[in-house]
Amino acid sequence: EVQLVESGGGLVQPGGSLRLSCAASGFTFSSYAMHWVRQAPGKGLEYVSAISSNGGSTYYANSVKGRFTISRDNSKNTLYLQMGSLRAEDTAVYYCARLFDSSGYPTTNYWGQGTLVTVSS
Amino acid sequence: QTVVTQEPSFSVSPGGTVTLTCGLSSGSVSTSYYPSWYQQTPGQAPRTLIYSTNTRSSGVPDRFSGSILGNKAALTITGAQADDESDYYCVLYMGSGILVFGGGTKLTVL
Repeated sequence: EVQLVESGGGLVQPGGSLRLSCAASGFTFSSYAMHWVRQAPGKGLEYVSAISSNGGSTYYANSVKGRFTISRDNSKNTLYLQMGSLRAEDTAVYYCARLFDSSGYPTTNYWGQGTLVTVSS
Repeated sequence: QTVVTQEPSFSVSPGGTVTLTCGLSSGSVSTSYYPSWYQQTPGQAPRTLIYSTNTRSSGVPDRFSGSILGNKAALTITGAQADDESDYYCVLYMGSGILVFGGGTKLTVL
């Protein structure tokens, strides 16, 4: 069974940093691209960042480019999101997700339960 | 910047049929965009209903169907039930590993 478990969320002051982690199990982690998707309170889903299976390619939404860094450790089956220069508008539930199949197409997908990040003084 | 458009809200009567649509700010949606539809209830992670235009995910009832209607992707719910009241998101694949989410449609069943 595919499982994605996020951790690392919490309350952080504006301008601060936070690192989210996502522990993956139930599939060959190193064969799949991985993603972070967020949802601000009462708002829709936003595609934040993506990383290829070997970590060689990354993607960032314009809203986080230059402030967030996605990475992965395939030996630990873990995905990370390093968030810096945090702003109030980064307040959201952050979901770790596997949104593509092993061929690189958006077919079946899996989501974690989400971790809440609150940016406030 | 590509914008994926969805109706902000829709309502359907129990047992009725509703079609939600997903368009592009410029251009037409085709199967090449691998349209997917996610369902999300409050406090829960999204759940995939449909991917690759019209393929139902495992366990999804056949009252949910996906298609291309004109220049948009469409999600049709036939015989709506009370627990279909959710937010529905369309997601399009832009290539190079990039997905774009629509703003979501809040469906009310009443």
